[in-house]
Amino acid sequence: QKEVEQNSGPLSVPEGAIASLNCTYSDRVSQSFFWYRQYSGKSPELIMSIYSNGDKEDGRFTAQLNKASQYVSLLIRDSQPSDSATYLCAVNNGGGFKTIFGAGTRLFVKA
Amino acid sequence: EAGVVQSPRYKIIEKKQPVAFWCNPISGHNTLYWYRQNLGQGPELLIRYENEEAVDDSQLPKDRFSAERLKGVDSTLKIQPAELGDSAVYLCASSLGRGENIQYFGAGTRLSVL
Repeated sequence: QKEVEQNSGPLSVPEGAIASLNCTYSDRVSQSFFWYRQYSGKSPELIMSIYSNGDKEDGRFTAQLNKASQYVSLLIRDSQPSDSATYLCAVNNGGGFKTIFGAGTRLFVKA
Repeated sequence: EAGVVQSPRYKIIEKKQPVAFWCNPISGHNTLYWYRQNLGQGPELLIRYENEEAVDDSQLPKDRFSAERLKGVDSTLKIQPAELGDSAVYLCASSLGRGENIQYFGAGTRLSVL
């Protein structure tokens, strides 16, 4: 079992729809969770960070964390073609400051 | 404020040749990371520095890879000799450290080994 797993996709949604990206992790002591967006040929850029159970909203983005289920998700509302990218889930184990990245989910938003 | 700066952006070398990558982190960031990213995969940590100390180099292929972070600021990652399988994007990232672990990435160096 990989430490951080994501659906590889691609995930295709029409413009204006909600895109839902999912991530599971294996280390129960994980404390910090991040979503990065990576455009083709570019480096990852941080979209959201979340540290406690529940939802965290920032504009069109909502991160959801459920530590009991070891599950973190990213919702993108009103998806735009410019949201088309690979979304990387990253999990940090806190004490060791070790961050593990998932393989990413490719999202395509069709105009 | 300047972000993480990496150079070169692209490098093409023949196998068995040496290559070096340079990274300048965000000012004030104590933690520096080197990652390797293969096509279709997430970044994989090679080495992490806290100031000038390498605190996690468990994934660094030490027979051919070396890294240094002199004075706890700039860092250099070297491969000698390069192999075909080393072709990848090498990313440098930095974070504030001291428990703050949001990472900011440089543009990366795309290495092609022929």
